[in-house]
Amino acid sequence: DVKVTQSSRYLVKRTGEKVFLECVQDMDHENMFWYRQDPGLGLRLIYFSYDVKMKEKGDIPEGYSVSREKKERFSLILESASTNQTSMYLCASNVGGPDTQYFGPGTRLTVL
Amino acid sequence: GENVEQHPSTLSVQEGDSAVIKCTYSDSASNYFPWYKQELGKRPQLIIDIRSNVGEKKDQRIAVTLNKTAKHFSLHITETQPEDSAVYFCAARDSGNTPLVFGKGTRLSVIA
Repeated sequence: DVKVTQSSRYLVKRTGEKVFLECVQDMDHENMFWYRQDPGLGLRLIYFSYDVKMKEKGDIPEGYSVSREKKERFSLILESASTNQTSMYLCASNVGGPDTQYFGPGTRLTVL
Repeated sequence: GENVEQHPSTLSVQEGDSAVIKCTYSDSASNYFPWYKQELGKRPQLIIDIRSNVGEKKDQRIAVTLNKTAKHFSLHITETQPEDSAVYFCAARDSGNTPLVFGKGTRLSVIA
């Protein structure tokens, strides 16, 4: 059974803080993804990675960075959190190619 | 790049009726079309997918149809039940290793 876990379900941070969101998958998946989910906007891709130390920008990378030092772990970093980054953040992974993408439970981030 | 449009954004049906959600895509190279269900407070989960070498796929009360010429695909849920109430997302991608592109979602409410 595939497991994708995220470090926090709920997080509250102050404007200007550096925020780390962690995602871990236990199925040796090559690909990992970070999305944000906002009402009416669906799932928007922030960054993705096809391999260790590799990263690609998605549709909305501004204000975010990522790190993938190990295959199982993909971190999303908000260098200086802003109120417009208040959202639900979802991590996902898959083996590669047209294969099922598995999501983590999400982190609801509030920036005050 | 790929663009996926999903309609309607909200849908209410009486229990026992059928529900249909439609998506269109722009990239004729796309050949993998999954559907995800997200219940309130939970992660999106794959419920059915279809690849471009078939026109229809069924799994109990759920079916997906694909029209490659018109570049649209649809989710059909028959004999709806209250537990079908959720947000449904369609997605598309090509045969390479590009990320899934999601529609904006449909909130389905099944009224008992």
